[in-house]
Amino acid sequence: AQKVTQAQTEISVVEKEDVTLDCVYETRDTTYYLFWYKQPPSGELVFLIRRNSFDEQNEISGRYSWNFQKSTSSFNFTITASQVVDSAVYFCALSEATDSWGKFQFGAGTQVVVTP
Amino acid sequence: EPEVTQTPSHQVTQMGQEVILRCVPISNHLYFYWYRQILGQKVEFLVSFYNNEISEKSEIFDDQFSVERPDGSNFTLKIRSTKLEDSAMYFCASSEGQNNSPLHFGNGTRLTVT
Repeated sequence: AQKVTQAQTEISVVEKEDVTLDCVYETRDTTYYLFWYKQPPSGELVFLIRRNSFDEQNEISGRYSWNFQKSTSSFNFTITASQVVDSAVYFCALSEATDSWGKFQFGAGTQVVVTP
Repeated sequence: EPEVTQTPSHQVTQMGQEVILRCVPISNHLYFYWYRQILGQKVEFLVSFYNNEISEKSEIFDDQFSVERPDGSNFTLKIRSTKLEDSAMYFCASSEGQNNSPLHFGNGTRLTVT
C-alpha cells in the first residue's frame, strides 16, 4: 500500500511565485519521521528538511517552510519566492519507528518547474 | 562538507554480467544503505547495513544482490547476473544513526543493462 502520497505530479510557476507541495502519509506508528528531499536535473538527492511525529511546530528556514498537521496526516512544503534553481523533483519520505532506521518510504515525487 | 561518493557515475553492462557499484560513505557515519530509482519512478529502498551485517532488505533485494564493506571506507553493491529490469539509478546513502538523522545520498550510479 502506498504510504506516502504526493498527488501533484507537476507544478509550474513563474519565478517569484510561491509554490506549495502536498504530502499525505499513512502510518500506524505513533513515532515516525518525515523528510523532504530535492532531486535537481543533475540527479542527486539533497536533504532539505525533517520533522518528528512528536513535534508539530512549523518552521521557516530561509525560503523554505513546512506545515505538519498530524490530524490530517499531511506534511506540506512551501518554497517562497521561487527561483529557477528551485526547478527539481521534490520527494516526501516517511520513516517509521517500527522499521530499521534508514528504511525510508518515498512518495512518487512532484516535478516543480520554475520559469523566468 | 563531507559527502557520499559513488563510482562509476554510469555503468553499461550486458544482461547476465556481474556488476559492482562502489560507494564511500561519510567517514563518521555508521549506517549504510542502497536505494534505487527506475527512470521516472520513485526512490525505492533496497538494503540497510550496520555493524557489518544487513539490518533489513526489501523484496527487491533478492539472491542476485549482495552488499559488502570490504574495508573501513568502501561499501559495495554487487548484482550477480544482471537483468534488463535492473536498469536504474542506484543511490548509496549513509547516516549517523538513529535519532532521526537524515540520509545523505551520493550522486548515484546509472546502471544500464543491455
